[in-house]
Amino acid sequence: DAKTTQPNSMESNEEEPVHLPCNHSTISGTDYIHWYRQLPSQGPEYVIHGLTSNVNNRMASLAIAEDRKSSTLILHRATLRDAAVYYCILRGSGAGSYQLTFGKGTKLSVIP
Amino acid sequence: DTEVTQTPKHLVMGMTNKKSLKCEQHMGHRAMYWYKQKAKKPPELMFVYSYEKLSINESVPSRFSPECPNSSLLNLHLHALQPEDSALYLCASSQDQGAAGAFFGQGTRLTVV
Repeated sequence: DAKTTQPNSMESNEEEPVHLPCNHSTISGTDYIHWYRQLPSQGPEYVIHGLTSNVNNRMASLAIAEDRKSSTLILHRATLRDAAVYYCILRGSGAGSYQLTFGKGTKLSVIP
Repeated sequence: DTEVTQTPKHLVMGMTNKKSLKCEQHMGHRAMYWYKQKAKKPPELMFVYSYEKLSINESVPSRFSPECPNSSLLNLHLHALQPEDSALYLCASSQDQGAAGAFFGQGTRLTVV
């Protein structure tokens, strides 16, 4: 499986933007970049995914580098509810290659 | 309905007991997953079912036995577990393609005594 590298932890002030980086230098041309988050005592929650172009949804934005070797999850205005572990995961697109393998993730703390 | 429902939420079992964890989804997803998560660690993939057939077994001990009776249900049968098997067991489902997000249940907190 192609691997991802994320910082162990990050801090943000409430109501400020947060940029969570992810490196995936061994990404293949058909791998999708997925982001999930896990709030304390809950199951993981899908946030966003993309292939080549930047993506926006109601939760966040995903900025993908032109060479696809890195990506950044952007929370536009952090709230206390965004404090969670954020996982960047590569997901294959071929038949039988779509399992999600979690790395260590980034623990985001939001300071009031 | 974008829910994955897991039952029970909590389970305490002895090492000689047999129990089952259940997972249900009604989103028409044809891929379903079991994960194990220990405290302060990321979820670890155990099994993947695709179209009700087991497609991935991540070298899980045979005391864990998955079953997919139909496209909406996923079970995990437990027998002769050890205390180190105590963990949060998560179920997830998705369409069977990489361009699809996965939905997770809230998990079953299992304690083996």
